[in-house]
Amino acid sequence: EADIYQTPRYLVIGTGKKITLECSQTMGHDKMYWYQQDPGMELHLIHYSYGVNSTEKGDLSSESTVSRIRTEHFPLTLESARPSHTSQYLCASSEVLNEQFFGPGTRLTVL
Amino acid sequence: DQQVKQNSPSLSVQEGRISILNCDYTNSMFDYFLWYKKYPAEGPTFLISISSIKDKNEDGRFTVFLNKSAKHLSLHIVPSQPGDSAVYFCAASVGDDKIIFGKGTRLHILP
Repeated sequence: EADIYQTPRYLVIGTGKKITLECSQTMGHDKMYWYQQDPGMELHLIHYSYGVNSTEKGDLSSESTVSRIRTEHFPLTLESARPSHTSQYLCASSEVLNEQFFGPGTRLTVL
Repeated sequence: DQQVKQNSPSLSVQEGRISILNCDYTNSMFDYFLWYKKYPAEGPTFLISISSIKDKNEDGRFTVFLNKSAKHLSLHIVPSQPGDSAVYFCAASVGDDKIIFGKGTRLHILP
């Protein structure tokens, strides 16, 4: 079954650690996105990719980086986590922009 | 400045009655509007959409109405069911550009 996966679902980590949030999709979509969302707030686009070797920063400034070496894989990395990075991170993919399929999210807590 | 506004953080509706969720936007260039539904600890799922050339789109219990002159859209759910309790995000886009999300409205369906 075609789907989009995110791991880990929950992560509690100390300040200064390097972390990578994984996102994979089996739908063959070219477009993939990372959003950051805090409770009661809108989803903010932090990174997107329109295909292999294509990555762009989104509207919300983020200290994270992404890579797109394979169509199905779009990992997000924080080199040095800080408490201000505590949030929910949502990955999405789409064939046409207007209908994005979301993964279950990673809830990150940085102590 | 928020381009997509959902001014009601929460809404409670009796089971079986109509739920009406509202959304206002400021960018007159938006030409596609979407509603997403989100359960706790899950990613948003696409619910229904409408193009700016239409003023109504219906899918089962869900109907979206668009009033371009008022820059307003609404989602009607009838009849409301317990499984409809979730956070609903209004979103909009210009052509093939990125989707802009509102802050969401939490809908509670009361027994």
